[in-house]
Amino acid sequence: DVKVTQSSRYLVKRTGEKVFLECVQDMDHENMFWYRQDPGLGLRLIYFSYDVKMKEKGDIPEGYSVSREKKERFSLILESASTNQTSMYLCASSTSGRRHGYTFGSGTRLTVV
Amino acid sequence: GESVGLHLPTLSVQEGDNSIINCAYSNSASDYFIWYKQESGKGPQFIIDIRSNMDKRQGQRVTVLLNKTVKHLSLQIAATQPGDSAVYFCAENRWTGGGNKLTFGTGTQLKVEL
Repeated sequence: DVKVTQSSRYLVKRTGEKVFLECVQDMDHENMFWYRQDPGLGLRLIYFSYDVKMKEKGDIPEGYSVSREKKERFSLILESASTNQTSMYLCASSTSGRRHGYTFGSGTRLTVV
Repeated sequence: GESVGLHLPTLSVQEGDNSIINCAYSNSASDYFIWYKQESGKGPQFIIDIRSNMDKRQGQRVTVLLNKTVKHLSLQIAATQPGDSAVYFCAENRWTGGGNKLTFGTGTQLKVEL
């Protein structure tokens, strides 16, 4: 029944490391999104993709990049992790068309030390 | 700029009472508004949505009200149960031409007291 899978629930990385967060969806959704969630700030959009090999910056893309080589997989990359990137990261997917809400993964809690 | 905000960060209710969670928005171009529920350790889950041309929509024990005049959205939960304890987010949806884009509020923690 699980629709959106994030590869890790908890991750601890060191400052300066390159970090990959993986997200896979099995619903054949066109659209995929990466959010970070911080207390008091809600969910903030980092990057999104409406199609394979397509990506667009969200509201807070600095320090991040993404890759979408296959329709079902959307990867978030922290090129050089910093402590201010410690957060909960949520992946989501949705169908195309004018309407829809998203299906979210369970999140990855990343701690950068 | 656009914003989606919630009036109260925490709401405590007695089991069996009705709960009302409020949300303000500022973008008149949004075509849908959506409520999500996030339980501890899980990702947000869709509860109910409402089109911008509607005032009210009901689901199972939940009702969403939209007041476009004052740009206000609310989620009403009838006969609140312990399982309703979670963080609730409102989100506004806009069609960008390539796909949907959601902007989320900061969330309200609902605590149900026995």
